[in-house]
Amino acid sequence: GENVEQHPSTLSVQEGDSAVIKCTYSDSASNYFPWYKQELGKRPQLIIDIRSNVGEKKDQRIAVTLNKTAKHFSLHITETQPEDSAVYFCAAYFPQGAQKLVFGQGTRLTINP
Amino acid sequence: NAGVTQTPKFRILKIGQSMTLQCTQDMNHNYMYWYRQDPGMGLKLIYYSVGAGITDKGEVPNGYNVSRSTTEDFPLRLELAAPSQTSVYFCASIEDSPYYSPLHFGNGTRLTVT
Repeated sequence: GENVEQHPSTLSVQEGDSAVIKCTYSDSASNYFPWYKQELGKRPQLIIDIRSNVGEKKDQRIAVTLNKTAKHFSLHITETQPEDSAVYFCAAYFPQGAQKLVFGQGTRLTINP
Repeated sequence: NAGVTQTPKFRILKIGQSMTLQCTQDMNHNYMYWYRQDPGMGLKLIYYSVGAGITDKGEVPNGYNVSRSTTEDFPLRLELAAPSQTSVYFCASIEDSPYYSPLHFGNGTRLTVT
């Protein structure tokens, strides 16, 4: 079935350190992998995405890597800041059948000052 | 543009009551989705629609119904509310397939069933 696993469920890092969140997906046909950030009490918002024709994408302090062979992708946040504290969701797009996004379980990231 | 608007923001229901969660978007998007987010959990797809008059079930459709009579509106109906339906509900829309552009989420409806 269509499944996305996300780890860890919680992550606590010191301000200035790096944070890494990992996801695996079930269907090798998946070709689009967005990451959403949800601040407390707010709606999820897209922060970065990657398509299957590239292995890495970077936007300032945020980067995403994709390993199609292993069917996993990761979010990397460098030089973390207090405003990075939030819940992060990975998702995978399954292009066959319903053509929908399936989300991971989420990672609550806490940046300690 | 208001984007995706959800009403109400909060609601408390008694077991067995019914209600409709409203969702409207002003971006002329074809695709619309309903997700639920349980505490500490991810987003689970309830129902989705790829255009007016077309709806389909997602991962967790039991206990819910939807309709899509217009492009703008995609209401979610809860019949016979149960405590298991306590959750935050998000509506989202997108112009075309999720492959091409990000989901636009509403602000959510926090529902408690007691």
